[in-house]
Amino acid sequence: DVKVTQSSRYLVKRTGEKVFLECVQDMDHENMFWYRQDPGLGLRLIYFSYDVKMKEKGDIPEGYSVSREKKERFSLILESASTNQTSMYLCASSPSDRGANTGELFFGEGSRLTVL
Amino acid sequence: AQSVTQLDSQVPVFEEAPVELRCNYSSSVSVYLFWYVQYPNQGLQLLLKYLSGSTLVKGINGFEAEFNKSQTSFHLRKPSVHISDTAEYFCAVSLSGGYNKLIFGAGTRLAVHP
Repeated sequence: DVKVTQSSRYLVKRTGEKVFLECVQDMDHENMFWYRQDPGLGLRLIYFSYDVKMKEKGDIPEGYSVSREKKERFSLILESASTNQTSMYLCASSPSDRGANTGELFFGEGSRLTVL
Repeated sequence: AQSVTQLDSQVPVFEEAPVELRCNYSSSVSVYLFWYVQYPNQGLQLLLKYLSGSTLVKGINGFEAEFNKSQTSFHLRKPSVHISDTAEYFCAVSLSGGYNKLIFGAGTRLAVHP
C-alpha cells in the first residue's frame, strides 16, 4: 500500500521557535509538495521539489524553507514561527514519469500546527 | 492561468437524499480533473479523476462526476448519501501534457444529517 507519512500529527509551538515538519514517501516518487490548508482558502502550495536537492517556490513561500537531501524525504522548515502560520500542513508526492504524470497527488494525513 | 471555483462552501443534506457538489474551472488548454475527499483530521484521498475518454467518471463510495467541456464544469454527484459521506470535498485541475501542478478549489463541506 502506497504511503506518505508525516512525522507529527499535532504540534504546539511558541512564537519565534524553529519548526521542522518531516514527510517521507515510500513510492519512489520524484515530486514532493508542501501545502497549507486553511478554512475557506482550500489548499495553497508552499514549496515543491522535482528532484533531490532541488526546490521551487509555490504560491505562498514567505516564512518557509524546505530541504530535500534524499529522494524519499521532504522537510518543511519554519525558521521563526508566527501565529499566522497556525494551520494544517499537508505533504504530497507524485511520479514524474510522463506516462504516469497526470497531476494526481498522494497525500499524507497532515500535521496540525498551532503557534501560540 | 488555471483556476477552480467550487460554487458552494457548504451543502447540508439529509441521509439517503441525492447530492451534487458543483465545480467549474477555467483553462485555455486541455486539463485533467480530480475530486478529492478529506474526512475529519485526515489527509486527502482521491475520489475520482477524469483524464480522457468517457465524460462520466465513476469513483469510490458510489460517487460519480461528469466532465462538461462546453460548460467547463466537473460536478460531483451521488444518488443517495450516507452519514459517513460527511467530509470536505475538493475539486482540482492540472494541465494535460505532463506538467504536474494541481490547482485546488476552496472546498465544499458536505454535512449529511439523519
